Amino acid sequence: EVQLQESGPGLVKPSQSLSLTCSVTGYSITSNYWGWIRKFPGNKMEWMGYISYSGSTSYNPSLKSRISITRDTSKNQFFLQLNSVTTEDTATYYCARYSEIRGTSVMDAWGQGASVTVSS
Amino acid sequence: QITLTQQAESLWVSPGEKVSITCRASQSLLYTDGKHYLSWYQQRPGQTTKALIYHASIRTDGVPTRFIGSGSGTEFTLSIEDVQPEDIALYYCLQTLKKPWTFGGGTKLELK
Repeated sequence: EVQLQESGPGLVKPSQSLSLTCSVTGYSITSNYWGWIRKFPGNKMEWMGYISYSGSTSYNPSLKSRISITRDTSKNQFFLQLNSVTTEDTATYYCARYSEIRGTSVMDAWGQGASVTVSS
Repeated sequence: QITLTQQAESLWVSPGEKVSITCRASQSLLYTDGKHYLSWYQQRPGQTTKALIYHASIRTDGVPTRFIGSGSGTEFTLSIEDVQPEDIALYYCLQTLKKPWTFGGGTKLELK
């Protein structure tokens, strides 16, 4: 059974970088797509982006050049880096696996989520 | 980008009742392959998020048959028949027709 677990600092200062790790067990990240979603206070959800089995990436344009998703296949982990954070980046961050089912992408496995607060 | 609107922030139900959660898209989610790129997700307290429905009406593996997805074009519904206590959760619709993929605002199902 695939399991995903987010980890990283729970508090980040404004203008600094937010870095999170998603550790995957029970499934290789060299298959499928793997990505990040966040939920803001008030429950709004935002798709952030993903990294494919080949290492290519796709990002939400709203995050412009601030976001980077990378991976370490030897550790079966992938990472989120979000630069120049502001208080508006305070959210719970989820990592997820995407599976192609009948031609569509389904986020069929999720982590528990990591709460990140941006504050000085 | 495509906007998804879930009109109801909260819905109150009693066990055994039927409830419907609606999701409206700012443009049609029908692709040229004849499928709608709309899915539904469930977030229960203390549980990981679960994919319930994709292509508007197809249940993912293991999802109980009381969860029914329907709709077309821009209007979609997730119905839960015979609501169980474990169905109390946040429900989101998601469109994957065009990037950036976007979520609805979420509907919280609560017990009366």
